[in-house]
Amino acid sequence: AQTVTQSQPEMSVQEAETVTLSCTYDTSESDYYLFWYKQPPSRQMILVIRQEAYKQQNATENRFSVNFQKAAKSFSLKISDSQLGDAAMYFCAYQGPGTASKLTFGTGTRLQVTL
Amino acid sequence: DTGVSQNPRHKITKRGQNVTFRCDPISEHNRLYWYRQTLGQGPEFLTYFQNEAQLEKSRLLSDRFSAERPKGSFSTLEIQRTEQGDSAMYLCASSYDYLPRYEQYFGPGTRLTVT
Repeated sequence: AQTVTQSQPEMSVQEAETVTLSCTYDTSESDYYLFWYKQPPSRQMILVIRQEAYKQQNATENRFSVNFQKAAKSFSLKISDSQLGDAAMYFCAYQGPGTASKLTFGTGTRLQVTL
Repeated sequence: DTGVSQNPRHKITKRGQNVTFRCDPISEHNRLYWYRQTLGQGPEFLTYFQNEAQLEKSRLLSDRFSAERPKGSFSTLEIQRTEQGDSAMYLCASSYDYLPRYEQYFGPGTRLTVT
């Protein structure tokens, strides 16, 4: 079974600084997708960024970028120029091949942004 | 596009009672997922519908849980004879075949408290 591990329960970053959240996963598949979702307090989960395993180029969305290391099964999220609105729980998620497309989530990292 | 909606947002019930939650997906989305999220954990997959067909159920979904999606539109999740261990946030997500890798959009969740 696929597993997703987030080893940092909490992280803190100062406004305007850069922070990296870690994620590792385990799978025997070669075709899969990885996601980072953001869950603000008492608000719904939203997609931050997506990475296709067959793509070597790391995904980037504005201030958010990933470092995808397929051989190491590592998928970290870098947030540049951190803003107060970035404070949230961040979940790394794996989606395997096939049509079911269910997500397997890690336990999350709580990000605090300080002034 | 009004997003995924879930009702009720909060439900408090006594142990042994039955509860039913409703999810309204984004209107053109044919795929619908239910997840359960307990405190300090990431969401865990419960079940998945493609149109009106329930195609996959997790082992987490005991016999006391049942989900339906009549006519492939809204979905209901019923828990019979609730137990304290059922206390959690129940999340619904929807997606569409032609979105990148069935990208899932989440609702705000229904928080269940069993006393």
